[in-house]
Amino acid sequence: IAGITQAPTSQILAAGRRMTLRCTQDMRHNAMYWYRQDLGLGLRLIHYSNTAGTTGKGEVPDGYSVSRANTDDFPLTLASAVPSQTSVYFCASSRDPTSGPEAFFGQGTRLTVV
Amino acid sequence: DAKTTQPNSMESNEEEPVHLPCNHSTISGTDYIHWYRQLPSQGPEYVIHGLTSNVNNRMASLAIAEDRKSSTLILHRATLRDAAVYYCILSRQGAQKLVFGQGTRLTINP
Repeated sequence: IAGITQAPTSQILAAGRRMTLRCTQDMRHNAMYWYRQDLGLGLRLIHYSNTAGTTGKGEVPDGYSVSRANTDDFPLTLASAVPSQTSVYFCASSRDPTSGPEAFFGQGTRLTVV
Repeated sequence: DAKTTQPNSMESNEEEPVHLPCNHSTISGTDYIHWYRQLPSQGPEYVIHGLTSNVNNRMASLAIAEDRKSSTLILHRATLRDAAVYYCILSRQGAQKLVFGQGTRLTINP
């Protein structure tokens, strides 16, 4: 059982470049989330999706966009990367945002913008 | 979102019980208490959750104070693999996000 798969594992990106972080889940969960984790700041929600076809903004959405074309995939795009977007990015999913609270997290993508 | 307060760090010995405290004095009646942990270089992992009653599962126990203003995560017999950052989080039923604080960094001594 794969659970949540994120790609790439790590990436060094030049500032100004476009980058898409991939996230796929095989649990048929309705809800998916993107968090970023910075030293001393904990995890912060970027965007979420309660079900395929819908998305919403989290705490720190600026500079990021998401799409949810189907249940399994929830890519996160940085249109024009900036050094402040250097972080570890975690994708997560849960069965349903209105039922059980258990969320499953991926292993993370470490992104460095130079 | 209601706020939680946890010690920055704790230390314990292998094979001993560990009690991780969490204060949440502004908790509302519909807030669930969740615990997640994050092992080094991994994503957060669900541990346990509860509303009013104490809860047990294969990983841990959750003891909730009668007034619900505090709770304690209990690891009955710590192993080296339990060394992680433990997060206590409040979330309302139907909430769209988990708000992570700084958590407690647990060190287990052999």
